[in-house]
Amino acid sequence: SYELTQPPSVSASPGQTASITCSGDRLGDKYVSWYQQKPGQSPVLVIYQDRKRPSGIPERFSGSNSGNTATLTISGTQSMDEADYYCQAWDSSTALFGGGTKLTVL
Amino acid sequence: EVQLLESGGGLVQPGGSLRLSCAASGFTFSSYGMSWVRQAPGKGLEWVSTISRNSGTTYYADSVTGRFTISRDNSESTLFLLMNNLRAEDTAVYYCAKVGSGSCSGGSCPPIDYWGQGTLVTVSS
Repeated sequence: SYELTQPPSVSASPGQTASITCSGDRLGDKYVSWYQQKPGQSPVLVIYQDRKRPSGIPERFSGSNSGNTATLTISGTQSMDEADYYCQAWDSSTALFGGGTKLTVL
Repeated sequence: EVQLLESGGGLVQPGGSLRLSCAASGFTFSSYGMSWVRQAPGKGLEWVSTISRNSGTTYYADSVTGRFTISRDNSESTLFLLMNNLRAEDTAVYYCAKVGSGSCSGGSCPPIDYWGQGTLVTVSS
């Protein structure tokens, strides 16, 4: 069965760039979405169709997807960006989430 | 403003049944697909099921196929999840979620763009 793999944790200092990867077989052939979830809150869509930002999402959030890897990039990371991030894609009529990455802003 | 309000969660014994409901408002419910996503305590997100806007197409995770049934009432702007033969591993917060613009086709659907606050289902004796 298809799987999406994310690193369990990523850290970044305030103002630096944080990159979170999501890997899967030929993932570049699929659309990837990214969700942010803060403790005790529901997830929020931050990137869809690989690189599009919903209304209200800051420009510092960007995405890319090629080959076997999709990447969520947060430029100029802020303390408010500390959260769990999940990638998501569809494969064979099944929606899949990655295991999640905890972003720590040190 | 999109609002999704889940209800129906609670404590149920293994092998029991439960029906979750999700009352939607703030958008034209009949124009969008809807999904259920769950999250076990301290764990990640797990997709459960998606239904197209006219109920013509439904998708299920392998882990719930044959036990869970997703349905909707467009006249009442309400989404349902009937859960039968519940297991301990079904214990989770269940989120109702709105699917974005576009149709489900070719085995995939648009991304979820809004989430409810979730309702906790606990399966335990």
